[in-house]
Amino acid sequence: EPEVTQTPSHQVTQMGQEVILRCVPISNHLYFYWYRQILGQKVEFLVSFYNNEISEKSEIFDDQFSVERPDGSNFTLKIRSTKLEDSAMYFCASSIAGANTGELFFGEGSRLTVL
Amino acid sequence: AQTVTQSQPEMSVQEAETVTLSCTYDTSENNYYLFWYKQPPSRQMILVIRQEAYKQQNATENRFSVNFQKAAKSFSLKISDSQLGDTAMYFCAFMKRRGGADGLTFGKGTHLIIQP
Repeated sequence: EPEVTQTPSHQVTQMGQEVILRCVPISNHLYFYWYRQILGQKVEFLVSFYNNEISEKSEIFDDQFSVERPDGSNFTLKIRSTKLEDSAMYFCASSIAGANTGELFFGEGSRLTVL
Repeated sequence: AQTVTQSQPEMSVQEAETVTLSCTYDTSENNYYLFWYKQPPSRQMILVIRQEAYKQQNATENRFSVNFQKAAKSFSLKISDSQLGDTAMYFCAFMKRRGGADGLTFGKGTHLIIQP
């Protein structure tokens, strides 16, 4: 069964460093998302991406964050200069039809630890 | 903005029992989806069940069913004949249904433990 895959599963970085989290969505899906979950807190929406551009973003998704689909298969989340509070689990998700069906398929997540 | 509230941080039941997880939400939208997602210890969230707000009939998926009360903005999940593999975090989530790439709004989750 097709699934969303994410790499790395865990990354440790120093504050101020750039981090890129990678995701391979399900191949025929058109909508892509990043969510994050700070330890002990709820899953929060960061950004959605469709037709090679950002469709919607939350207040969390400030200028330090960017997303890209560089080669038609990968979907990346870049954090330009990491802060301690960026430590979280980051989940990628994809959907074949966005809010028209409502079903998102999630990856297993990338745990980011900022020291 | 939408909010989703799950008032039970943790629940524990015996295997084979029935358990109900509660969820309430707040929105000014009339057309939307509600979901229950399951996040087992392996961390990948899996869709359990989905309800479209314009449908009055409660959704069911095998042992999982919902009690959707639109006027009360309540969306509880009932798990019948619970199994050890049901142990997981359960998240209630909301999505506006207006087309496009709107994100999900999640509740804080309920940690369900099924005891042998």
